[in-house]
Amino acid sequence: EPEVTQTPSHQVTQMGQEVILRCVPISNHLYFYWYRQILGQKVEFLVSFYNNEISEKSEIFDDQFSVERPDGSNFTLKIRSTKLEDSAMYFCASGARREDTGELFFGEGSRLTVL
Amino acid sequence: QKEVEQDPGPLSVPEGAIVSLNCTYSNSAFQYFMWYRQYSRKGPELLMYTYSSGNKEDGRFTAQVDKSSKYISLFIRDSQPSDSATYLCAMIYPIKAAGNKLTFGGGTRVLVKP
Repeated sequence: EPEVTQTPSHQVTQMGQEVILRCVPISNHLYFYWYRQILGQKVEFLVSFYNNEISEKSEIFDDQFSVERPDGSNFTLKIRSTKLEDSAMYFCASGARREDTGELFFGEGSRLTVL
Repeated sequence: QKEVEQDPGPLSVPEGAIVSLNCTYSNSAFQYFMWYRQYSRKGPELLMYTYSSGNKEDGRFTAQVDKSSKYISLFIRDSQPSDSATYLCAMIYPIKAAGNKLTFGGGTRVLVKP
């Protein structure tokens, strides 16, 4: 069964360091997303990406964040200078078609710990 | 007022009981409603998706939407210990051409005891 895969599963970094989280969406999907979940809190939308550009982003997704689809398979989230409050579980999701609405497939997540 | 509210639980039930979960929301622009299941330290997994007011059934799961009351529910019949997880409701505004943003509730933790 096709699935969204994310690496690394857990990353520990020092405050101020750059972090890249990687995702391989399901192969025929067109819509890509990053969400995050701070421990004990809600899953929050960060950014959506379609047709090689950001289609929507939240207030959380400031200039320290960027996304890229460098080739036909990977979708990355970069945090340029990590802060303590960036510690969270980051989930990548993908969807096949606009009409799929909420039928997004989520990866297992990448846990980021900023020290 | 929070956009989507959900009782955090935990909700503890004996095996075989009906689990009843609900969410309320404040924004009448939400039109699509989903329930996701999330096991500890895993990604959300879609269980049910509904659009209109009314009921939708899939196996042991029934989703209800009452747009007039801004209230959605999920019922799990014949609950099993493997149903122990956190259940998240999520909602979407009208579809945008370039993708959709889910707004999640905080999740209800469910424990089904053998």
